[in-house]
Amino acid sequence: GNSVTQMEGPVTLSEEAFLTINCTYTATGYPSLFWYVQYPGEGLQLLLKATKADDKGSNKGFEATYRKETTSFHLEKGSVQVSDSAVYFCALGNIGGGGADGLTFGKGTHLIIQP
Amino acid sequence: EAGVAQSPRYKIIEKRQSVAFWCNPISGHATLYWYQQILGQGPKLLIQFQNNGVVDDSQLPKDRFSAERLKGVDSTLKIQPAKLEDSAVYLCASSLVANVLTFGAGSRLTVL
Repeated sequence: GNSVTQMEGPVTLSEEAFLTINCTYTATGYPSLFWYVQYPGEGLQLLLKATKADDKGSNKGFEATYRKETTSFHLEKGSVQVSDSAVYFCALGNIGGGGADGLTFGKGTHLIIQP
Repeated sequence: EAGVAQSPRYKIIEKRQSVAFWCNPISGHATLYWYQQILGQGPKLLIQFQNNGVVDDSQLPKDRFSAERLKGVDSTLKIQPAKLEDSAVYLCASSLVANVLTFGAGSRLTVL
């Protein structure tokens, strides 16, 4: 079945540091890939997505490239801010029979940015 | 546009009691999902509806969990009887396009 593996947290960085959160997946076919973010006390929000190989999703300074050859979708940001502190979830879009198209999520990575 | 509405936001019950959660999706979104998010884990899909029909309920513990979406709009998720391990946040999401989900704020359940 489909699965997503992402790096364990918490990840603690200083403000303006470079961020990478690793994500790899196992799936049949070529699913769409997503990063969701959950800020403290808030619901899950879509951060960025990529729908096919070599696509780059980007939003709010974050980027991730769909790498089919390494089955990866690593999240990066060049200079993090305190406001980026949150839990980040990598997810893939299921492609099931009969229209089953929910998301399979990784366990989440808690990011802490210190001033 | 209004988001996905869920209630209640918080619920505390004792084991073996029952509980129900309600969700109103974004207007016009035919697809509705219920997810369970246990503390420290990613959300896990429980059930997916397309209009008022079930598309995927393969991970729903059917001995104690049930869900319905009678008129193809709002939905109710019920747990009866609850167990300690059901303590989690129950997330509702809706979508218009495949794989693009908008989530509600969630309903946090504590089972004592």
